[in-house]
Amino acid sequence: AQTVTQSQPEMSVQEAETVTLSCTYDTSESDYYLFWYKQPPSRQMILVIRQEAYKQQNATENRFSVNFQKAAKSFSLKISDSQLGDAAMYFCAYRSGYGGATNKLIFGTGTLLAVQP
Amino acid sequence: DTEVTQTPKHLVMGMTNKKSLKCEQHMGHRAMYWYKQKAKKPPELMFVYSYEKLSINESVPSRFSPECPNSSLLNLHLHALQPEDSALYLCASSQDETGNYNSPLHFGNGTRLTVT
Repeated sequence: AQTVTQSQPEMSVQEAETVTLSCTYDTSESDYYLFWYKQPPSRQMILVIRQEAYKQQNATENRFSVNFQKAAKSFSLKISDSQLGDAAMYFCAYRSGYGGATNKLIFGTGTLLAVQP
Repeated sequence: DTEVTQTPKHLVMGMTNKKSLKCEQHMGHRAMYWYKQKAKKPPELMFVYSYEKLSINESVPSRFSPECPNSSLLNLHLHALQPEDSALYLCASSQDETGNYNSPLHFGNGTRLTVT
């Protein structure tokens, strides 16, 4: 079974600084997808960034980028120029590339990010 | 603004009440999901509907009854709940049931349910 581990329950960053949230996963599959979701106090889960396992190039979305290390099974999220609005719970998630709906979105336990002004 | 709309935002109900949670999306998505989330925990999948048919039930107690009247609407009917069912209930949708890179899940703001 696949697992997703986020080893940092809480992180803090100064406004305008850079922070990296770690995520590791365990799988024997070669085809899969990885996601970072953000959940601010408004409660909505917002897709931040996504990565296909067979793409070596790291995904980037504006100030958000990932460091995808397939061999190490690591998928860290880097937030550059942190803003107050980045404060949220961040969940790393995995989904198998095989099959249909029976492959659930597997979430890590989350990292609560605080942004200090 | 969220593209998945959930009502109500908050709900308090007694253990003998019957209530319903509603979810609506107009993105043309054909898969819809119910998740349950406890405080400071990741969401847990409850149900998946694909093309208006129930495709996954994660062994959820029968006091939770999902319904998908059409491709845009998803309901969760609640009856005889327990205090431990208090949680945030999130609805999500995706283009299809694969939920993969080209069909990621879009979530609503959730309904905060308190069972007294």
